[in-house]
Amino acid sequence: QKEVEQDPGPLSVPEGAIVSLNCTYSNSAFQYFMWYRQYSRKGPELLMYTYSSGNKEDGRFTAQVDKSSKYISLFIRDSQPSDSATYLCAMSNNYGQNFVFGPGTRLSVLP
Amino acid sequence: GAGVSQSPSNKVTEKGKDVELRCDPISGHTALYWYRQSLGQGLEFLIYFQGNSAPDKSGLPSDRFSAERTGGSVSTLTIQRTQQEDSAVYLCASSLVRVGGRNTIYFGEGSWLTVV
Repeated sequence: QKEVEQDPGPLSVPEGAIVSLNCTYSNSAFQYFMWYRQYSRKGPELLMYTYSSGNKEDGRFTAQVDKSSKYISLFIRDSQPSDSATYLCAMSNNYGQNFVFGPGTRLSVLP
Repeated sequence: GAGVSQSPSNKVTEKGKDVELRCDPISGHTALYWYRQSLGQGLEFLIYFQGNSAPDKSGLPSDRFSAERTGGSVSTLTIQRTQQEDSAVYLCASSLVRVGGRNTIYFGEGSWLTVV
């Protein structure tokens, strides 16, 4: 079993749809959870950051962490064509040294 | 600088040649990472530097790959005798490591290497 699993997609949705992106993990030591967005031929950019369990909202984006299930999600409301990118989940232990990335989900939002 | 800076942004080299990729991390960040990303693939960890500690080289795929970090800041990733399978984007990232605090990593735009 891989340390972090993520549905690779590709995922295609119409503009305005609600998008749900998910990752599961196996290491209970992970405390910090991040989502990165990567446009084609660009480096990943930090989108959301959460610590431990709970929800965090930032505009159209909501990050959700369920440590009991070892499951994290990113929700995108009112999706836009500009949201078309690859989304990578990432997580680290309490000392922020062991960053592990999911393989990424490619999202296309169709106008 | 304001962000992680990498150079060159694009490099085309002939098989068998050596290449050097440079990374200038965010000022004050003590941790520096190199990752490799092949077309359509996830991030492959290569090497990690943290302060004055010995680097974690566990991800380097072969002895043709090496990296150094001078003065705790700028890092150079060297690939000797390049092979076609080395073609990928090489991403550098940096982080401010704080025990019990927010620890996130920030990426550069990558160095896109093509071996022909």
